[in-house]
Amino acid sequence: DAKTTQPPSMDCAEGRAANLPCNHSTISGNEYVYWYRQIHSQGPQYIIHGLKNNETNEMASLIITEDRKSSTLILPHATLRDTAVYYCIVRVLNSGAGSYQLTFGKGTKLSVIP
Amino acid sequence: GAVVSQHPSRVICKSGTSVKIECRSLDFQATTMFWYRQFPKQSLMLMATSNEGSKATYEQGVEKDKFLINHASLTLSTLTVTSAHPEDSSFYICSAYRPRWPGTDEAFFGQGTRLTVV
Repeated sequence: DAKTTQPPSMDCAEGRAANLPCNHSTISGNEYVYWYRQIHSQGPQYIIHGLKNNETNEMASLIITEDRKSSTLILPHATLRDTAVYYCIVRVLNSGAGSYQLTFGKGTKLSVIP
Repeated sequence: GAVVSQHPSRVICKSGTSVKIECRSLDFQATTMFWYRQFPKQSLMLMATSNEGSKATYEQGVEKDKFLINHASLTLSTLTVTSAHPEDSSFYICSAYRPRWPGTDEAFFGQGTRLTVV
């Protein structure tokens, strides 16, 4: 399985952009990068995903390096409600179960500071 | 957007009893659902993959006789913790894939169930 490496924690000033890095140096050519976040005591929330190209939606932007070995999630204007644990995940096929699965690492705890 | 509903959100039970947790996909059909467990200050750990109409696939170290999974319809999967013990106290989370063409599907998560065994 492709594994990801994220910094354990980051701080970001309210209103500024939050840039969350992720390394996935063993990713395979057809494996997607997904980002989720988990606010305390809630289920994870989908943010964005991508394969090769940069992606943007109403929540965030995802920048994937050309060699696909790393990516950065960008929250353009962080608010206090963005304080959460952010998970970068490489989706892999579980051949035993016959489906794709998401394996969660430890994530990055983002604290948005007033 | 798609919603996955999990019930109950909190449950307290006595040691030795069984607890059933329901996971429903509200506006799409989910052939595959996943059950996770999360202990305090730790990440989500996949317990099992639930496929509609067939037996669940359990991850290594998860007791299939203790954590019974039933995926009887395309919108409902249940997890039953049998003969619960205090060490089973945890945050249980389900998720469901809404299938689309490759690469654009996403997994939706329930709000989680906080199980406390006393």
